[in-house]
Amino acid sequence: NAGVTQTPKFQVLKTGQSMTLQCAQDMNHEYMSWYRQDPGMGLRLIHYSVGAGITDQGEVPNGYNVSRSTTEDFPLRLLSAAPSQTSVYFCASQEQGPYSNQPQHFGDGTRLSIL
Amino acid sequence: KNQVEQSPQSLIILEGKNCTLQCNYTVSPFSNLRWYKQDTGRGPVSLTIMTFSENTKSNGRYTATLDADTKQSSLHITASQLSDSASYICVVSEGSNYQLIWGAGTKLIIKP
Repeated sequence: NAGVTQTPKFQVLKTGQSMTLQCAQDMNHEYMSWYRQDPGMGLRLIHYSVGAGITDQGEVPNGYNVSRSTTEDFPLRLLSAAPSQTSVYFCASQEQGPYSNQPQHFGDGTRLSIL
Repeated sequence: KNQVEQSPQSLIILEGKNCTLQCNYTVSPFSNLRWYKQDTGRGPVSLTIMTFSENTKSNGRYTATLDADTKQSSLHITASQLSDSASYICVVSEGSNYQLIWGAGTKLIIKP
């Protein structure tokens, strides 16, 4: 059981470039989310989805887009990369939403550097 | 403002020793409190989840406590092992919109 798979693991971009971070889960979880983790700070929610076809903004959505065409996949798109988006990005899935007392399952992250 | 504060920021202990990590929060209303372990270069992994009515929860050598009156939680690690070296993150779920408030974590280093 692979759980949550994120690709790529590392990426370097130039300012202004766009790219898509991939996230796939094989647990048939309805709820998926994207976070960024910066040094000395807690994880911050970028976007989330409560099911296929439904997405919503989190705490720091600017500069990012998401889509959820299937239950399994939840890609995160950087529209025009900026140095402030240098971070480690984590995708997570959960059987139900955060209102449930169930754990989130995380991928191993994508380490993104914007030059 | 909803906040989660963890202490200490970092901690070094010898293998075999016990340690306790602290989490104080100002989140209201409260839904649940979670502890995660994050190994270097990996994603967080859930250790425990406690609701308002639970004041202790164990997962092997990890025991979490919750005092909802004082808004404090602790994570106690017994007989530490080298593999316990990681960051430990406290997360509180806010009870109206279920927003997760993440602490910055405690970095624990176990030395042989």
